[in-house]
Amino acid sequence: NAGVTQTPKFRVLKTGQSMTLLCAQDMNHEYMYWYRQDPGMGLRLIHYSVGEGTTAKGEVPDGYNVSRLKKQNFLLGLESAAPSQTSVYFCASSYGGGYQPQHFGDGTRLSIL
Amino acid sequence: TQLLEQSPQFLSIQEGENLTVYCNSSSVFSSLQWYRQEPGEGPVLLVTVVTGGEVKKLKRLTFQFGDARKDSSLHITAAQPGDTGLYLCAGVAGGGNKLTFGTGTQLKVEL
Repeated sequence: NAGVTQTPKFRVLKTGQSMTLLCAQDMNHEYMYWYRQDPGMGLRLIHYSVGEGTTAKGEVPDGYNVSRLKKQNFLLGLESAAPSQTSVYFCASSYGGGYQPQHFGDGTRLSIL
Repeated sequence: TQLLEQSPQFLSIQEGENLTVYCNSSSVFSSLQWYRQEPGEGPVLLVTVVTGGEVKKLKRLTFQFGDARKDSSLHITAAQPGDTGLYLCAGVAGGGNKLTFGTGTQLKVEL
């Protein structure tokens, strides 16, 4: 049972470089989310999607873009990486919104030098 | 932004002790969830509470949702090393469809 798969698991970038983080889920979930986790701050929502072809901003969207071209995939892009974007990024999916359980991937640890 | 503050931030105890973790907010939530996260992994849902005053038990873990739906607590009885991890509360504001996560409590249970 794969569930939610994130790639890559680790990445080091230089300031100004771009990259895309991939999230794939095999549970046929409508909702998908991207969070960042920083020490002492819990998880903060970056962007989310309520279905194929839709995206919406979360709490901390600046500097990130997302796309949901296929229902099972949710991509997070950094166009010009900054040191402040050093974090652990988690993708999650859920059947619906609200109190529906969210299923998380194992995270991508990203360092921006 | 609805802020969920958890306390304590860190907790280190011996096996067999009891502990309580608190999750507090000035906002009202329609539901509240507790997740546990182990190193190198994503959070995993433990429980969802939706009714003010609700109490749910999961083996040695007891979860309570405050009457006013602004706070919640997690009580662990006779903690074991396997309980070690980061505990996160997360709430949904009334009518919303997004979770707001708390600041987290890092628990370490030693032999």
